[in-house]
Amino acid sequence: DGGITQSPKYLFRKEGQNVTLSCEQNLNHDAMYWYRQDPGQGLRLIYYSQIVNDFQKGDIAEGYSVSREKKESFPLTVTSAQKNPTAFYLCATEAFFGQGTRLTVV
Amino acid sequence: AQSVAQPEDQVNVAEGNPLTVKCTYSVSGNPYLFWYVQYPNRGLQFLLKYITGDNLVKGSYGFEAEFNKSQTSFHLKKPSALVSDSALYFCAVRDITSNQAGTALIFGKGTTLSVSS
Repeated sequence: DGGITQSPKYLFRKEGQNVTLSCEQNLNHDAMYWYRQDPGQGLRLIYYSQIVNDFQKGDIAEGYSVSREKKESFPLTVTSAQKNPTAFYLCATEAFFGQGTRLTVV
Repeated sequence: AQSVAQPEDQVNVAEGNPLTVKCTYSVSGNPYLFWYVQYPNRGLQFLLKYITGDNLVKGSYGFEAEFNKSQTSFHLKKPSALVSDSALYFCAVRDITSNQAGTALIFGKGTTLSVSS
């Protein structure tokens, strides 16, 4: 797992609801990333952060938000503006990934 | 723009036979190249990476990959496939001379490897 912990493993969201996915790392890596995985599309970058209190949009940032208040933590919020949030979400540092969170809209 | 292509959606091999999973890349500068494996509902597991040096990189679980700069390829290989190697494999690149998206990896769409007994 490379010292990256994602929680929860499974998450269900109702229409119009915001949900937050947790990502914690103990690797002392500066950079952290959030990717979204959909079948047949590989991994797409949502947001990334190279240093505490700084983060940048990736390729598909619309409908998502992040914060980086601590080096160890990089939570991702899926907002109600994200029209198709059902996917597998992966948090990563330089080369290592967490075990992922599967988000399903119910 | 940086990109990674995995031309085969699926590769089928018999157990004991050699396997190859193909990957080509496009970057404007010098690439860092990676291979990952993913089992169902799991995160990506790091297999190997090329940064510099010997073009043949050895990684976990008996896998290796060969960096070919002229063909911009980084194919994953294993001399003798196991049924347990059946999984989804991703190739990824990082352009170390570009600051686009920080140091984020760019991924191919993945190749499903199926090893039959």
